[in-house]
Amino acid sequence: ILNVEQSPQSLHVQEGDSTNFTCSFPSSNFYALHWYRWETAKSPEALFVMTLNGDEKKKGRISATLNTKEGYSYLYIKGSQPEDSATYLCAFRSTGNQFYFGTGTSLTVIP
Amino acid sequence: GAGVSQSPSNKVTEKGKDVELRCDPISGHTALYWYRQSLGQGLEFLIYFQGNSAPDKSGLPSDRFSAERTGGSVSTLTIQRTQQEDSAVYLCASSAFVGTVHSPLHFGNGTRLTVT
Repeated sequence: ILNVEQSPQSLHVQEGDSTNFTCSFPSSNFYALHWYRWETAKSPEALFVMTLNGDEKKKGRISATLNTKEGYSYLYIKGSQPEDSATYLCAFRSTGNQFYFGTGTSLTVIP
Repeated sequence: GAGVSQSPSNKVTEKGKDVELRCDPISGHTALYWYRQSLGQGLEFLIYFQGNSAPDKSGLPSDRFSAERTGGSVSTLTIQRTQQEDSAVYLCASSAFVGTVHSPLHFGNGTRLTVT
């Protein structure tokens, strides 16, 4: 079982603040790195799929970067809004097509 | 089109009984995954199907757990002689042809299993 770690475990920020989370993963057998947002009472939804070292993806106020050589990815949220409150999961996809999830970062945006 | 469908959404069962959880993936998705999330824990991998075969069953916690997939579509996860530690949310996810590197996982809404 591969170890995927996310930090921090939880985060409370004020509306309008920018924030970022970290996902660390093994640098071997790497195929892709996924980010998902999981809102309460809903199913996880894909945010980004990144494959290449140095990849940067952006969707609105949310962006992510990838460093496969050192085994980490950052997720950034600019100008947090209450609707951004959710658990953010990263998943390491191995060359064996297995997905290993971190335990997530729980974000609460306070209005 | 329809997303991943799981049933039942909630299941309460007595310890020792068998339960069957169903997952109906997105049409055409060849890869199907089962995960579970116990209270306060992350997503725990159970089993992965490519078509009807299961290349990786390593996550099944005991021989009380089994899963099958028929016709490359619907999958059932069966838990025999349920125990209280089986209580969790069981999530199913499907993905397009597994060789497509950018395919994300599409999750169902899960089955919340409570063993009393």
